[in-house]
Amino acid sequence: AQKVTQAQTEISVVEKEDVTLDCVYETRDTTYYLFWYKQPPSGELVFLIRRNSFDEQNEISGRYSWNFQKSTSSFNFTITASQVVDSAVYFCALRAFQGAQKLVFGQGTRLTINP
Amino acid sequence: DTGVSQDPRHKITKRGQNVTFRCDPISEHNRLYWYRQTLGQGPEFLTYFQNEAQLEKSRLLSDRFSAERPKGSFSTLEIQRTEQGDSAMYLCASSSIRGDRGNEQYFGPGTRLTVT
Repeated sequence: AQKVTQAQTEISVVEKEDVTLDCVYETRDTTYYLFWYKQPPSGELVFLIRRNSFDEQNEISGRYSWNFQKSTSSFNFTITASQVVDSAVYFCALRAFQGAQKLVFGQGTRLTINP
Repeated sequence: DTGVSQDPRHKITKRGQNVTFRCDPISEHNRLYWYRQTLGQGPEFLTYFQNEAQLEKSRLLSDRFSAERPKGSFSTLEIQRTEQGDSAMYLCASSSIRGDRGNEQYFGPGTRLTVT
């Protein structure tokens, strides 16, 4: 069975601080995809990144970076120099590489950036 | 591309009534998904279509739930004899099977159902 755990329910930081959101997953598959989505107060899930399990390169996109470590089954997300607009609920998700297409989501981390 | 659209955005109904939601995917996306999200939780998968074929259904999709995608374009999700436990946000997503197999799913704004 697949499972995603986001142990941090809520995080609150002051603007310009760096913040890391943790994601740990379980799967029996040897190949799979990992995703991060952002859900702002408007409610619509916004796709941020997809990572293939066979590609362990870390990725940086502007103030966002992702650290994938297959050995510890973790896919953590860091926001550098946080801004108030980063306030949202962030979800980590897992999907099989072949076969089942469903996304398995974690419970989400509510991030609040205070001015 | 216009995004995934869902209608209605909000629905309040009395227990025991039937409700139907509509989802229009991104044009030319041949996969369409339904998820349900309750307060404080991540979305949970309900079902998905590839073109008009319903290929996967979750155990969450009880006999009171039915989904269709008759022409491989828009989809409807119907809940019969609604119960208070059906109150949730119903999310629709779409993706394309062309190109990279990673085919990320793009979500609509959701339909918030309240059963009183």
